[in-house]
Amino acid sequence: SYVLTQPPSVSVAPGQTARITCGGNNIASESVQWYQQKPGQAPVLVVYDESDRPSGIPERFSGSNSGNTATLSISRVEAGDEADYYCQVWDFKSEHPVFGGGTTLTVL
Amino acid sequence: EVQLVQSGAEVKKPGESLKISCKASGYSFTNNWIGWVRQVPGKGLEWMGIVYPVDSDIIYSPSFQGQVTISVDKSISTAYLQWNSLRASDTARYYCATGVAVRIDYWGQGTLVNVSS
Repeated sequence: SYVLTQPPSVSVAPGQTARITCGGNNIASESVQWYQQKPGQAPVLVVYDESDRPSGIPERFSGSNSGNTATLSISRVEAGDEADYYCQVWDFKSEHPVFGGGTTLTVL
Repeated sequence: EVQLVQSGAEVKKPGESLKISCKASGYSFTNNWIGWVRQVPGKGLEWMGIVYPVDSDIIYSPSFQGQVTISVDKSISTAYLQWNSLRASDTARYYCATGVAVRIDYWGQGTLVNVSS
């Protein structure tokens, strides 16, 4: 099964840019999604196909993907961005989504 | 508006059976797949399995094969997750989720299952 690796935590000061990475073998060839989960809530899709955003998601959220690392970038970070973030790809061999372990974003 | 509405929280004893539900609305039920995701308190998201309502094809994650049963009733646009004999380690929040292709577009609100003697 395809394995995705995320750092457990990332900290950033308000107004700065947070970058959360997701490592996987040749992940650049995969479609990568990112989900935001705030405490007590269901996850929400914030970026799909590496860099597209669903309607209602601020432009501050963006994604990139190259080599073995995909990255979620959140510019001008706000306190409300504190959450757990999960990357996801589709494992076509086993025909199901695969999630990274999740990264807790802390706004200092 | 797409909605996935899940059944309420459950408190069960080890060895008991349980079936939780996820009712879909706001889209054509057979156009999307529906899956189940487990989240143990304080832990990450784990994919359990997927069902394609159009033909009821079900694919389980190897970690959950034989541990749970996924089913669907197209007539009422509802998916189910079932246990025959719960264990304390099944204590978690369970989400249903739906999408068309490789991403999850919508999530249910989650069903908390607490298994304790």
